[in-house]
Amino acid sequence: DIVMTQTPLSLSVTPGQSASISCKPSQSLLRSDGKTYLYWCLQRPGQPPQLLIYEISNRFSGVPDRFSGSGSGTDFTLKISRVEAEDVGVYYCLQTTQFPYTFGQGTKVEIK
Amino acid sequence: EVQLVESGGGLVQPGGSLRLSCAASGFTFNNYWMNWVRQAPGKGLEWVANIKPDGSEKFYVDSVKGRFTISRDNAKNSLFLQMNSLRAEDTAVYYCARNLAYWGQGVLVTVSS
Repeated sequence: DIVMTQTPLSLSVTPGQSASISCKPSQSLLRSDGKTYLYWCLQRPGQPPQLLIYEISNRFSGVPDRFSGSGSGTDFTLKISRVEAEDVGVYYCLQTTQFPYTFGQGTKVEIK
Repeated sequence: EVQLVESGGGLVQPGGSLRLSCAASGFTFNNYWMNWVRQAPGKGLEWVANIKPDGSEKFYVDSVKGRFTISRDNAKNSLFLQMNSLRAEDTAVYYCARNLAYWGQGVLVTVSS
């Protein structure tokens, strides 16, 4: 199974500042079709997860452009620019390149 | 609007069975892979299983293989998860998700004596 390692596990951010979360899979997520199936989700308190980013860097419908994804192979980053109060929650990276799909441990983001 | 509504959760004894359902609306159900993902209390997310649009292929996480069965009824826009031989470690909120882009609110399954 592909192990997804996220760092840091928690983050405290001042509103208006930026934040970055790293996700390092235990093996390359590049699939034979040429695509990399790396996703980022946010789970706000008491809510189901919601998709933010798919295939490394594509923002899902309705996701603000403050959220951006980057990376390749075994090193990926989610950046939140100009953090807002509504961004609090747990962020997860997820791979669907190989079964079983696997999530990172989650990074809890709070506002200072 | 895409809607996914889970039902069928509850309290069950170890070794017991439960069948979860997910009613889908707002999209062409038989065009999409469907997933079950769970979250144990206070823990992270764990993908459980998924099923191809026509139901011909199914995949599971190792910890549920042989105990859980995912299925779908495309005529009724419904997804199911039959859970047998339940264990305490299966206690979780179970989410139905359309290709992991759209998620239901989840349903709680508690396995306890």
